[in-house]
Amino acid sequence: GAVVSQHPSRVICKSGTSVKIECRSLDFQATTMFWYRQFPKKSLMLMATSNEGSKATYEQGVEKDKFLINHASLTLSTLTVTSAHPEDSSFYICSASPDSSRGYTFGSGTRLTVV
Amino acid sequence: GNSVTQMEGPVTLSEEAFLTINCTYTATGYPSLFWYVQYPGEGLQLLLKATKADDKGSNKGFEATYRKETTSFHLEKGSVQVSDSAVYFCALIPYSGGYNKLIFGAGTRLAVHP
Repeated sequence: GAVVSQHPSRVICKSGTSVKIECRSLDFQATTMFWYRQFPKKSLMLMATSNEGSKATYEQGVEKDKFLINHASLTLSTLTVTSAHPEDSSFYICSASPDSSRGYTFGSGTRLTVV
Repeated sequence: GNSVTQMEGPVTLSEEAFLTINCTYTATGYPSLFWYVQYPGEGLQLLLKATKADDKGSNKGFEATYRKETTSFHLEKGSVQVSDSAVYFCALIPYSGGYNKLIFGAGTRLAVHP
């Protein structure tokens, strides 16, 4: 149980365009999901906490207008990278849990390349 | 504050060698502790966890014991395989009610050679 699906796994886009990444909890409801960014050979940086039915909570230094998060249902959160630039190229990972005391399940990640 | 400190890598071992990856933490209260593993190009997978002092988490031959007196949660495996090559993250959730964020260490890359 506690499966998190992330889509797409890889995406290449042109500078200036927007990209949407989806994170779904397949067998549980998630009122909270988390979005991370990982730079090459680095640890995960928490970007924001996605809250179902309300605004996301962004970590310090993360641009809200650049990284739009929508958590419209109990099983789906989306991260939209707006007006993407090459420096936004990274590995983005989401996570969620039916019970945080059991730990969090992670999606398989999305490799974004902006050209 | 809450933080996790891991030994720097990379750790390079020969197959069947003994593995230890050190992890210490700072947290208020009684956190839950986790080890996650990330294989190349993939997301993170929960390897094992411990939720209270003296608990031992184990999975796939890996073990870690929650040591409150030394605030440590070192990862060990008696005999590593090439397939264990990955990045290992120590993490904690500091419980203060409701959902809490996972706080990660920097990660330790393990390379196992035949």
